[in-house]
Amino acid sequence: TQLLEQSPQFLSIQEGENLTVYCNSSSVFSSLQWYRQEPGEGPVLLVTVVTGGEVKKLKRLTFQFGDARKDSSLHITAAQPGDTGLYLCAGVSGSGYALNFGKGTSLLVTP
Amino acid sequence: NAGVTQTPKFQVLKTGQSMTLQCAQDMNHNSMYWYRQDPGMGLRLIYYSASEGTTDKGEVPNGYNVSRLNKREFSLRLESAAPSQTSVYFCASSEAVQAGVEQFFGPGTRLTVL
Repeated sequence: TQLLEQSPQFLSIQEGENLTVYCNSSSVFSSLQWYRQEPGEGPVLLVTVVTGGEVKKLKRLTFQFGDARKDSSLHITAAQPGDTGLYLCAGVSGSGYALNFGKGTSLLVTP
Repeated sequence: NAGVTQTPKFQVLKTGQSMTLQCAQDMNHNSMYWYRQDPGMGLRLIYYSASEGTTDKGEVPNGYNVSRLNKREFSLRLESAAPSQTSVYFCASSEAVQAGVEQFFGPGTRLTVL
């Protein structure tokens, strides 16, 4: 069962464009995390959001946690080739311990 | 600090062969995890160890066994490999099994079962 649905699955854009990636669920999460994974490497944490409605900024990346804590979005402003990678959202639902990952959004930014 | 290390990086097995994937972390973390990553499926949890001496099944434990050898090391064993176990395996660690705690991942082991 995939608790977290990510869209789009693939995204190919040119340098300088803006983009938004979505992570949606019917479950409520106590927190959501966003990871980025580059080819041949393991995922690396970008941010954790814990409060409904929370917005966090990391340079050109803006992360938002939905008011109901069921969804999240990642917005990249003026994308650069270095942003290329697989973006994964992950969260723990209910009282469980296991981190559930979405299938990811594969982003390609070309010069 | 090396973080999370995994060996081997690549492995090819024949159906029915066995092997152990090794993982070690030098961050003094209490919790460790094994995931597999398949195209179009994302990361799925195989087993985790909340603390030294404990292990628990994740989403896809069938065909695997684990050993938490000590606080640093967490191994994953395939007793009789099957082609369906062809995947990239990631080990991760964190301070605790708790929502919102960062997990640190190793570089992965790319396993092919023929």
